[in-house]
Amino acid sequence: GAGVSQSPSNKVTEKGKDVELRCDPISGHTALYWYRQRLGQGLEFLIYFQGNSAPDKSGLPSDRFSAERTGESVSTLTIQRTQQEDSAVYLCASSPILPDTQYFGPGTRLTVL
Amino acid sequence: KQEVTQIPAALSVPEGENLVLNCSFTDSAIYNLQWFRQDPGKGLTSLLLIQSSQREQTSGRLNASLDKSSGRSTLYIAASQPGDSATYLCAVVDSNYQLIWGAGTKLIIKP
Repeated sequence: GAGVSQSPSNKVTEKGKDVELRCDPISGHTALYWYRQRLGQGLEFLIYFQGNSAPDKSGLPSDRFSAERTGESVSTLTIQRTQQEDSAVYLCASSPILPDTQYFGPGTRLTVL
Repeated sequence: KQEVTQIPAALSVPEGENLVLNCSFTDSAIYNLQWFRQDPGKGLTSLLLIQSSQREQTSGRLNASLDKSSGRSTLYIAASQPGDSATYLCAVVDSNYQLIWGAGTKLIIKP
């Protein structure tokens, strides 16, 4: 079956612009997660959703970051007024329930010039 | 605060050898532990998940063990192949449902 998909696969933007990253989880997966991986660094947890609810937003790096999810479907991660330090690969994962095996998408590579 | 450590950071072995990758975590209050592999330019692939109540899981040539009380997990790879070359990541789901990651072990299998 279809795995987790993310779009766009690559995004180059200018400093100060807003960007929106999209994640389509595996159908039927109630849990969805966002991570960030900066070049040469480990994965950094950002936020998770159980259904369309995000109980803990403390992992988001700043108030420029926000995320939402429609039902148990697509999620968007929005970064406002992008900065160069936001450059990273943004990974999305989903799992059938919390907590369970997480299946990762291919990621979105964000470059802020 | 949960911290996950992986040793060694890098490992290079000849094809055919059996090898062990190590993962340790500081807080035993976990839901589960997962091992992943990450290939350059590709996404993450889940290899094995061990629930906190389990001691080990096996998939093909891979065997993962979990000793929650001592905060340790090992990933055993039997009869290594060049295709096993990748970065192997260990991660635990903590009590807040967050996946806390180790820095990974970069494995190179020499033909």
